[in-house]
Amino acid sequence: AQKVTQAQTEISVVEKEDVTLDCVYETRDTTYYLFWYKQPPSGELVFLIRRNSFDEQNEISGRYSWNFQKSTSSFNFTITASQVVDSAVYFCALRATGANSKLTFGKGITLSVRP
Amino acid sequence: GAGVSQTPSNKVTEKGKYVELRCDPISGHTALYWYRQSLGQGPEFLIYFQGTGAADDSGLPNDRFFAVRPEGSVSTLKIQRTERGDSAVYLCASSYGTSGGLSSYNEQFFGPGTRLTVL
Repeated sequence: AQKVTQAQTEISVVEKEDVTLDCVYETRDTTYYLFWYKQPPSGELVFLIRRNSFDEQNEISGRYSWNFQKSTSSFNFTITASQVVDSAVYFCALRATGANSKLTFGKGITLSVRP
Repeated sequence: GAGVSQTPSNKVTEKGKYVELRCDPISGHTALYWYRQSLGQGPEFLIYFQGTGAADDSGLPNDRFFAVRPEGSVSTLKIQRTERGDSAVYLCASSYGTSGGLSSYNEQFFGPGTRLTVL
């Protein structure tokens, strides 16, 4: 069975602070994908990143960076110099590479960035 | 091009009634997924179609829930004898194909959801 745990439920920071959102996952699959999605107040899920299990290279995209550690089954997401527009719920998700491609989501982390 | 669309955006119904929720996937996407998101939770998988057939319906909570995709495009999620516990946002997503490919070919794109409230 697959499981994604986002232990943090709510985080509040002041604008320009850095913030890290944690994600820990469980799977018996040897190959899999990990994702982060953003859900702003409008409700639509916005894809941020996909990571293959065999590629542990960290990734940076502008103010966003992701740290994948297979040894600890973690896929953490850092926002540098946060902005008010970053306020949203962030979901980590897991998907197998087999025939069943359903996404398994964590419960989400509500990030509030105050001006 | 157009993204995934879902109608209605909001649906309020009374306990015991029947409802239908519609999903129009991105043109050319053969895979379609339904998820349910309860308040304060992450989306939970309900059912997945590859073409016209339901390839995995293991997430449907009980036999009051049913989904169809008769022509391999638009899908309808049907809920009979609605209960207050069915209140949630129902999300639809589509992708080009099934999983297994190690590329963005299989990325799931989500619609805005239908907020269902059962009174």
